[in-house]
Amino acid sequence: EVQLQESGPGLVKPSQSLSLTCSVTGYSITSNYWGWIRKFPGNKMEWMGYISYSGSTSYNPSLKSRISITRDTSKNQFFLQLNSVTTEDTATYYCARKQRLGFDYWGQGVMVTVSS
Amino acid sequence: DVVLTQTPPTLLATIGQSVSISCRSSQSLLHSNGNTYLNWLLQRTGQSPQPLIYLVSKLESGVPNRFSGSGSGTDFTLKISGVEAEDLGVYYCMQFTHYPLTFGSGTKLEIK
Repeated sequence: EVQLQESGPGLVKPSQSLSLTCSVTGYSITSNYWGWIRKFPGNKMEWMGYISYSGSTSYNPSLKSRISITRDTSKNQFFLQLNSVTTEDTATYYCARKQRLGFDYWGQGVMVTVSS
Repeated sequence: DVVLTQTPPTLLATIGQSVSISCRSSQSLLHSNGNTYLNWLLQRTGQSPQPLIYLVSKLESGVPNRFSGSGSGTDFTLKISGVEAEDLGVYYCMQFTHYPLTFGSGTKLEIK
């Protein structure tokens, strides 16, 4: 069974970088696409970006200057780095697998608060 | 970016009632390849989102057939024929015909 698990600090200071890890079991990240999505307080959801089976990336233009998604295929993990965070980046962050027809497997999510 | 507007924002239903959620797009979601990449997801409280419907009307494996999707172009509808208690949560439409992928504003289904 495909499982994804996010991990990382739950509290980040403004202007610092947010770094999260998504550990995948039951499926190789060298197939399909692997994305990050966040849900803000309230209901708003935002697609942040993804890394493909080949390692290429695609980012939401709203984040393009601040975001980086990388991977370690030996550990079957992929990573999110978001630079220069503000309180507006406070959200629950999810990693998910995207196949041709949509996101089919999601992690449980990790809540990240940006606060001094 | 494509804006997906969901209505209503909140839906109060009794068990067994049929309900519909609308998702209107600011642009046509018909892709040049003939597919319409409009999906529906449900996020139950305390859980991660789960896929319900893809390509407007196709049910994901394991999703009860009381859920159905319809629509084309810019107007889409999710219908639940006979709400059950386990259906409460927040419903989202999502499109990836156009870059960047975007989500609807969400509809919270509450049970009376």
